[in-house]
Amino acid sequence: DIVMTQSPLSLPVTPGEPASISCRSSQTLLHTNGYNCLNWFLQKPGQSPQLLIYLGSNRASGVPDRFSGSGSGADFALKISRVEAEDVGVYYCMQALQTPYTFGQGTKLEI
Amino acid sequence: EVQLLESGGGLEQPGGSLRLSCAASGFTFSTYGMSWVRQAPRKGLEWVSGISGSGGTIYYADSVKGRFTISRDNSGNTLYLQVNSLRAEDTAIYYCAKHAHNYVRGTSIDYWGQGTLVTVSS
Repeated sequence: DIVMTQSPLSLPVTPGEPASISCRSSQTLLHTNGYNCLNWFLQKPGQSPQLLIYLGSNRASGVPDRFSGSGSGADFALKISRVEAEDVGVYYCMQALQTPYTFGQGTKLEI
Repeated sequence: EVQLLESGGGLEQPGGSLRLSCAASGFTFSTYGMSWVRQAPRKGLEWVSGISGSGGTIYYADSVKGRFTISRDNSGNTLYLQVNSLRAEDTAIYYCAKHAHNYVRGTSIDYWGQGTLVTVSS
């Protein structure tokens, strides 16, 4: 199975400041079609996860442009340019290259 | 608007069975892969099983293989998960999730339901 490792696991931030989360996989997530099979999700308190970023760097519909995804192969990052209060929750990366799909441990963003 | 509504969870004894359902609407159900993902209390996310749009390709996590069965009724727009031989470690919220394409492997999950809670305890 592909192991996903996130850091940090806890991220205290100040509103208006930037934030960054790292996600590393135990093997490359680059598909033969040239896309990185890496998603980012946000699970707000008491809610189900919601898709933020797909294929490593594509924002999902309705996601504010302060969120961006980057990286390739086995090293990825999620960046928030200016954190807002509504961004609190747990962020997960997930590899979608092969089954079983696997998730990072989660990064709890707190203000 | 994509909607996924899970049901069927509840309290069950170890060794027991449940059938989880996910009613889908707002998209052409038969043309998208679907998965079940679970989350144990205060824990992270664990993918459980996935099925292609036609139902012809199915995958399971090793932790549930031989005990859980995923299926779908494309005429009724419903996804199922039959969970047998339940163990305490199966206690979790079970989410129904839609994939971005017809197949499962190599595709993103783009929508999640609200989940149904399964509690395994004597």
